[in-house]
Order: sequence, then C-alpha cells, then structure tokens
Amino acid sequence: AQKVTQAQTEISVVEKEDVTLDCVYETRDTTYYLFWYKQPPSGELVFLIRRNSFDEQNEISGRYSWNFQKSTSSFNFTITASQVVDSAVYFCALSGPYSGAGSYQLTFGKGTKLSVIP
Amino acid sequence: EAQVTQNPRYLITVTGKKLTVTCSQNMNHEYMSWYRQDPGLGLRQIYYSMNVEVTDKGDVPEGYKVSRKEKRNFPLILESPSPNQTSLYFCASSLGPGGDSGNTIYFGEGSWLTVV
Repeated sequence: AQKVTQAQTEISVVEKEDVTLDCVYETRDTTYYLFWYKQPPSGELVFLIRRNSFDEQNEISGRYSWNFQKSTSSFNFTITASQVVDSAVYFCALSGPYSGAGSYQLTFGKGTKLSVIP
Repeated sequence: EAQVTQNPRYLITVTGKKLTVTCSQNMNHEYMSWYRQDPGLGLRQIYYSMNVEVTDKGDVPEGYKVSRKEKRNFPLILESPSPNQTSLYFCASSLGPGGDSGNTIYFGEGSWLTVV
C-alpha cells in the first residue's frame, strides 16, 4: 500500500523567509511518481511538479525547488523568499505505474497549510 | 486550452435529494477519477474510470455512483446524499492511469457540496 506523510499540518512564516515543506512516502513499487500540488484559498488544485523515481536530480523553478532523496524516501519542497501569494495548502502525492489490473491509485498526503505573513 | 470542467461549483442540498455533479474534459483522456477532500484527510479517491463503460471503486465509494457513457464525461451521482458527504469534490483526468511519462493529471476547479 502507498502512503504519503506530510508531518507539518500548518506553517507560518514572515514574508521573504525561506520555507521547506516536508514529504515522506512509502511504496513497494520500484517505479513511481511524485507530485506536488498547490491549493490556494480559492480551492482549485494547481499542478507544480512531477518527478519520476528514477530521476533523482533536484529541480529548481524560480523560487521553488524540490529535493528528491530516494534513500530517505523524501520529496521536500522549498520556497525561497516567500511571498504572501504563496499562502496555500500544499499537497504531496504519489502514484505507481499502471499495473494493468485496473488498479491505479494517486495517494495524497493530508496537506500542509502555509501562511505567509506580510 | 486543456480543461476539466465541473458543475456545479457550489451546491447546498438537503438529505436524500438526489444530485449529480458533472465532469467534462476536452483532452480526449481515457482515464478519469473523482476525489473528495476533507479537512485533515487530504484527497481520497471515490471512483475511477479507465475508459468508456469501465469504472471501478476507489478508496471511499460508499454512497456514490458514477457512469462513463462518453469519453469526455464522468458524472458523480449521489443517489441519497447525507451530511457526511459534505465535502469538496474534484474530478481529474489524464491520458493514462499511472503516473507514467506524459500522464499529467488535470484537476477540475472543485465542487463545494453541502448536505443539510
């Protein structure tokens, strides 16, 4: 069974601080995919990144960066110089490859609510 | 523009009154699914569909039905809604079911449903 743990329920930071959101996952699949989604107060889910299990390169996109470490089963997300617009709930998610048996699961963590205070 | 469209976005209904939340995608995706989001529980899968006329239960299917008569549409049906189905619902679609390369998962904007 797959599991995603986001231990931080809520985080508050002051604008311009850096913040890291933790994500730890469990899976028996050797090939799997990790995602981060942002959910602003308006409620929609905004796709941020997908990472394949065989690609451990870290990724940077503007103020966002992701640190994928297979050895610790973690896929952490860092926002540099946070801004008020970053205030949202962030979800980490995990999926396996298509099993061919009709079973497919995208497992979400419970989310981390980030509040950036001006 | 790639879109997953859900309707209604907001609904307050009474216990027992059947309702349908529609979901439509314009990307010719084969795979569609429904999730519900509850505080402290994250998103949980209700049902998914691999293709037309092929549907299966997710983690929390009780109290829900779905149908997939056309590729683009995947409505979620609450035959007899109850207050514990008050939630935020998301429809999602992707080219295929897994997270494999190219299978970006697109989510609708969400439907806030309150059952009183």
